[in-house]
Amino acid sequence: GDSVTQMEGPVTLSEEAFLTINCTYTATGYPSLFWYVQYPGEGLQLLLKATKADDKGSNKGFEATYRKETTSFHLEKGSVQVSDSAVYFCALTNFGNEKLTFGTGTRLTIIP
Amino acid sequence: DSGVTQTPKHLITATGQRVTLRCSPRSGDLSVYWYQQSLDQGLQFLIQYYNGEERAKGNILERFSAQQFPDLHSELNLSSLELGDSALYFCASSPSAAGGYTFGSGTRLTVV
Repeated sequence: GDSVTQMEGPVTLSEEAFLTINCTYTATGYPSLFWYVQYPGEGLQLLLKATKADDKGSNKGFEATYRKETTSFHLEKGSVQVSDSAVYFCALTNFGNEKLTFGTGTRLTIIP
Repeated sequence: DSGVTQTPKHLITATGQRVTLRCSPRSGDLSVYWYQQSLDQGLQFLIQYYNGEERAKGNILERFSAQQFPDLHSELNLSSLELGDSALYFCASSPSAAGGYTFGSGTRLTVV
């Protein structure tokens, strides 16, 4: 079945550092890929998405590129802020399987 | 406000009891999904309803059931509660899976 593997956390960075959170997937066909973010005490918010190979999703300075050849969808941000501290989830849906399959989540803490 | 409303926000109940969690989807969304988030299991898909009909089932226990009503709101019923059922329960809605979901803020269930 479909699965998502993402970088184990927690990740701690200083403000203005470069961020990469790795995500790889296993799925047949052409899944849609997502990054969700969960701030403390809140629900999940869609951060960005990509629906086909080579698409780049971007939002709030975060980017991720759908790489079919490496089955990856790594999340990047050039300069993180304290307000980016949250848990980040990589996820996918697939044709004929509308449920979101999530990775385990990566807790990110940014220190001033 | 994401547009997906979940009530109650917090629930504390005793083992063996039954509770009902409610979800109102975003206006126009026909699909409702229920997820359980616990520390040891991560985000687990429970069940999906589409326009009143069950569409997909995930790791939902037999003690749990759900339904979607004609006005599209959904209820998740949890019975014979055990300590291990303590978790955050999220509802999400979508017009289509490729667009990603909108999540509610969740119901935190504590079984004592």
